[in-house]
Amino acid sequence: TQLLEQSPQFLSIQEGENLTVYCNSSSVFSSLQWYRQEPGEGPVLLVTVVTGGEVKKLKRLTFQFGDARKDSSLHITAAQPGDTGLYLCAGDDAGNMLTFGGGTRLMVKP
Amino acid sequence: EAGVVQSPRYKIIEKKQPVAFWCNPISGHNTLYWYLQNLGQGPELLIRYENEEAVDDSQLPKDRFSAERLKGVDSTLKIQPAELGDSAVYLCASSLGGDRSQFFGPGTRLTVL
Repeated sequence: TQLLEQSPQFLSIQEGENLTVYCNSSSVFSSLQWYRQEPGEGPVLLVTVVTGGEVKKLKRLTFQFGDARKDSSLHITAAQPGDTGLYLCAGDDAGNMLTFGGGTRLMVKP
Repeated sequence: EAGVVQSPRYKIIEKKQPVAFWCNPISGHNTLYWYLQNLGQGPELLIRYENEEAVDDSQLPKDRFSAERLKGVDSTLKIQPAELGDSAVYLCASSLGGDRSQFFGPGTRLTVL
């Protein structure tokens, strides 16, 4: 069973601060996805990273896939209250199967 | 384009009662997934369909859970009888062929009393 561990589990910060969320595994994934989920809604795909060492930017969000394709990070610059939510990483085993991490619950206070 | 549709959005039942959830995936998406999500945790796969065939149901508790996707489009997930521990959000997702991107519905929040 492939496991993905996310850290931290909870994060409460002030508007304008920077933060990094980590997603780690002992398994290699063909790709890794990051989702954001708001209360009462399903997860929404933010980005998919495929190549080891790949870095993708989505406005204030920067996603990095580890060289060995076992870990990933999400960095948010100048967080805003609208960034509040549950951030989930999910690893793809190349068989149309996603294994989700436990999630990081982010709260950005104005 | 309409997203993944799920109904009902909320369901409250007493233990030992049956319950069913319905999902209509994005048009043209041949792969359909049912996930269970406990509060504050990531989704856990219950079953995956490729068209009408269940290709991975190893995590589905088959003594009480069943699912079907008869025409390869919409799908139903059933629990009979429900137990207290089944209280969770049941998410449906779909994807297109070899595209790894999954699109999720809003989920059905089940409360078993």
